Amino acid sequence: QSVLSQAPSVSEAPGQRVTISCSGSNSNIGNNAVNWYQQLPGKAPKLLMYYDSTLPSGVSDRFSGRRSGTSASLAISGLQSEDEADYYCTAWDDSLNAVVFGGGTKVTVL
Amino acid sequence: QVQLVESGGGVVQPGRSLRLSCVGSGFAFRSYAMHWARQAPGKGLEWVAVISYDGINEHIVDSAKGRFTISRDNSENTVYLHLSNLRPEDTGVYFCAKDQTFEKYYYLYGMDVWGQGTTVTVSS
Repeated sequence: QSVLSQAPSVSEAPGQRVTISCSGSNSNIGNNAVNWYQQLPGKAPKLLMYYDSTLPSGVSDRFSGRRSGTSASLAISGLQSEDEADYYCTAWDDSLNAVVFGGGTKVTVL
Repeated sequence: QVQLVESGGGVVQPGRSLRLSCVGSGFAFRSYAMHWARQAPGKGLEWVAVISYDGINEHIVDSAKGRFTISRDNSENTVYLHLSNLRPEDTGVYFCAKDQTFEKYYYLYGMDVWGQGTTVTVSS
């Protein structure tokens, strides 16, 4: 069982908007930045968002992030088929002295 | 270009040991912390360990403490993950990844470069 909680899957039609939620606690999301990764099938993870809402160079601005309290979310607007992937939230946990991951959310484009 | 290449995976029996290596290129390897993460077949990502840019500071996931150690050789641009007393549940793809923060002892802002992974299978 993962320290951070994510819904296992979400699906939406092309062009629509999806939001992926990530729930944690005071020792992780409540006190530290949240980072998001995208993992395409059979590929290595890719940093998609860091410090809650900062896009790495080259990442589409269709992706946006926010953190509030002990929760965070990643939104994908204008959903495209290429967005079909697994998405993971992570944060540093001050109690565990570890990076903790969410269980991942599989995004399906209908 | 910036690149990480892992090696050392294989099939091992329970209780045996393995050393994974990850060579970095295209960036100032000695100035960045390095992580290992793993992914069991069909499962999500799990962080395993981190070592600071200078090798002084390290953290290991609780499930691997006492069995795994992380080390680095900045003269060889290489980070290692030593796996011992392996269990079937250690089976998976092991990724190394570069922390994106320059010369700090905190690991808050994610891993911006990942290798393609090396597969470890623990089975009798």
